[in-house]
Amino acid sequence: GQQLNQSPQSMFIQEGEDVSMNCTSSSIFNTWLWYKQDPGEGPVLLIALYKAGELTSNGRLTAQFGITRKDSFLNISASIPSDVGIYFCAGSYNYGQNFVFGPGTRLSVLP
Amino acid sequence: NAGVTQTPKFQVLKTGQSMTLQCAQDMNHEYMSWYRQDPGMGLRLIHYSVGAGITDQGEVPNGYNVSRSTTEDFPLRLLSAAPSQTSVYFCASSYSGYEKLFFGSGTQLSVL
Repeated sequence: GQQLNQSPQSMFIQEGEDVSMNCTSSSIFNTWLWYKQDPGEGPVLLIALYKAGELTSNGRLTAQFGITRKDSFLNISASIPSDVGIYFCAGSYNYGQNFVFGPGTRLSVLP
Repeated sequence: NAGVTQTPKFQVLKTGQSMTLQCAQDMNHEYMSWYRQDPGMGLRLIHYSVGAGITDQGEVPNGYNVSRSTTEDFPLRLLSAAPSQTSVYFCASSYSGYEKLFFGSGTQLSVL
């Protein structure tokens, strides 16, 4: 099936630093979703993107829908300890094609 | 505001046992789905449903059955549990198949 690649796989950053991660696909998508998962919990939706080039913010989080429609980016500004978790991207082409999920980026924030 | 509710939270089974994982949503979503999450593999789709009475297979359907008799409920049945089915299972729903997916808190299943 389709595969999404996420990079980096994991990252360790200092509190207060900015974070960038991305998601790439071999296929084009019409919808990108970004999720955060805390240990023992289900993924929580952070940002949804529906249009190529779209830039959307949610507090300190900003995500972009790549122009090629094959990638998406998530940035976190001024990281804090509660940003620790696994961040997943998911893409879908259209109705009738289910979302495909990336393997996740594990973020650790050092005080 | 419950959203997507999954039960049980934890379950241990012996090989060959059967069980049903429950999922209910109160958002009147037409689309519901089941995923399994294994280390390093992200979320993989097991089965999905686009409305009551309609179900279809996802990427990894073998060993699992589903039915959708109401809009609210979408149970996942393991017919004869195998150790390879040890995983964390998530139910998700959305208004349609390509809009925002909302997840339950998961069921951690161990098959011995």
